[in-house]
Amino acid sequence: DAKTTQPTSMDCAEGRAANLPCNHSTISGNEYVYWYRQIHSQGPQYIIHGLKNNETNEMASLIITEDRKSSTLILPHATLRDTAVYYCIVRDSGGSNYKLTFGKGTLLTVNP
Amino acid sequence: DTEVTQTPKHLVMGMTNKKSLKCEQHMGHRAMYWYKQKAKKPPELMFVYSYEKLSINESVPSRFSPECPNSSLLNLHLHALQPEDSALYLCASGRNAGTSTDGYTFGSGTRLTVV
Repeated sequence: DAKTTQPTSMDCAEGRAANLPCNHSTISGNEYVYWYRQIHSQGPQYIIHGLKNNETNEMASLIITEDRKSSTLILPHATLRDTAVYYCIVRDSGGSNYKLTFGKGTLLTVNP
Repeated sequence: DTEVTQTPKHLVMGMTNKKSLKCEQHMGHRAMYWYKQKAKKPPELMFVYSYEKLSINESVPSRFSPECPNSSLLNLHLHALQPEDSALYLCASGRNAGTSTDGYTFGSGTRLTVV
């Protein structure tokens, strides 16, 4: 069963912020939200992850709603090189569940 | 070194051939993964190794045989493959399986074509 729901595709203008939504309404208390992206013909690249607080790193910001049922990945100033498929994944923090299961993701196209 | 290196980058093999894919990392990661990705589909997990032991096999056919000779190296041995096995094979590593929340590092993959 899919744990996350993402739009199939989105467009963004170069230089503008890209806001990618993800719904994970069945997330449990010990599951983290991870974001990866995959540029065409390359391996996936880890972007960011969080549990319940908002997170920021050099690539992006992650905003998680207070009820943790949805999140938004923000690329503050999108460039053409950010065109990729973005995957939102929920994963248990420990125990024996260390699978990283990819859904269909969102194809973000950054336009000049 | 913060990379996962996969070789070869491209491989064409016949259905009667035996070949191997190689994956190497020197980040001290103790969990390593094989994924398979068909065109326009998300990656699908095949195998998980934790501390050099196979911990997850996602019901992968026996014509795919993984091997983890040491903590830095992961192989995928291929034998009697079918054309539908043509795909991008991705290797990933993580600090450890189960207790670390860090993200995984993926290699750039081996694009396999079975003829």
